[in-house]
Parts: sequence; structure tokens; C-alpha cells
Amino acid sequence: AQSVAQPEDQVNVAEGNPLTVKCTYSVSGNPYLFWYVQYPNRGLQFLLKYITGDNLVKGSYGFEAEFNKSQTSFHLKKPSALVSDSALYFCAVRDIGGASKIIFGSGTRLSIRP
Amino acid sequence: DGGITQSPKYLFRKEGQNVTLSCEQNLNHDAMYWYRQDPGQGLRLIYYSQIVNDFQKGDIAEGYSVSREKKESFPLTVTSAQKNPTAFYLCASKGVGNSPLHFGNGTRLTVT
Repeated sequence: AQSVAQPEDQVNVAEGNPLTVKCTYSVSGNPYLFWYVQYPNRGLQFLLKYITGDNLVKGSYGFEAEFNKSQTSFHLKKPSALVSDSALYFCAVRDIGGASKIIFGSGTRLSIRP
Repeated sequence: DGGITQSPKYLFRKEGQNVTLSCEQNLNHDAMYWYRQDPGQGLRLIYYSQIVNDFQKGDIAEGYSVSREKKESFPLTVTSAQKNPTAFYLCASKGVGNSPLHFGNGTRLTVT
């Protein structure tokens, strides 16, 4: 069975500093991996995805993520955080060999202080 | 504009009543999904449908039912058998292949 874990409930970063939001996954085959962001009382917005190819994926709003197959991780990163990046971030996984089932992690609240 | 519409935004019901949440999309997507969001638990998959007239249970399907009679619509019924129905419900759709999910803005259901 596929699963995804976000080990940190909250990440606090000063504006201008780099940020990392962690995600690890488990699938039986090769994964499709996604990051989404959620603002209060709204649906999720897509940030970026890893399907195949380069391990460093670039997405919206200056975010990027690094796929590491040996560590089964897909951490979200940004070189310089903005206060407006403060939101709830979700990692998601789909098993390429499986059906369309897409599973989400528990979410990480990112707080950027001025 | 293409998108997913969930209605209503807020819904209040008495315990013991069934309630149906609406989800409509005009993105021409085949796949549609229902997730439940609770604080600290992230999104949990209730049901998903890959094509019209077909759907599969997710991880927490007990106490819920769905139908997929039209490509555009995937309503979710929260039945009286659902022990803890108060939550934020999110509907999503997906295009072909490795397309990402597109989400609606959710329905917040409160059952008292």
C-alpha cells in the first residue's frame, strides 16, 4: 500500500532564509510525487510534481523539490522565504503502476516571520 | 473559466440526517475525488472515480456514498452512519496521465 509522511507539523523560518519542508513516501513501484499548498478555508493549489528525469524539480512561486530514490524522499525547498509563503503544505504520492489513487501526507504548516 | 465548484461553502445538519455535498467540474476530466480534511490529519481519501458509472472506495469510505452518473458531477452523501461527520470536505478532479489534481474550495460540514 502506498503512503506518505510529513514528519514536521510546523516549520518556522525567518524571511530571507532558505526553507525545507520534508516528505517521505512508500509505494510498491515507481512514484508520481506532488506538492500542494493550501491557504485558509480554500482548496489546494498545485506547486510542482516529479514524474521522471531530473531529481531537482522546479515549480511555482520559486519552490523546488528534490527527489531522492534511495531515501524515498521528496523535500520541498526554497532558497529565500517570503512572509507570503506562510501556508499549509501537502505532499502527495501516486503509484505509477496502480490505479488513480492519490494519497496525501498530514500537512506541514510553514510560518515565515518578518 | 474552467474549474471545480463545490456547494454550499458551509452546511449545517442535525445528527441522524443524511446530507449531500455537491461537486461539479467543467474541465472535462475523467477522474474525480473526495477527500476529508481534519486538523492534524491531512487529507484522507473517501472515494474516487476514474470514469462515469464507476467508483472505488478510498481509505475512509464507511458512512459515505457517491454516484457518478455524469462526467461533470460527483456528489458525496454523508449518511447518518458516519460517526464523526463534522469536517472540511474537498472535491478534486484530474486529467489524463500524470496531471495534478484540481481542487474545489471545499464545503465545511457541521453536524450537531
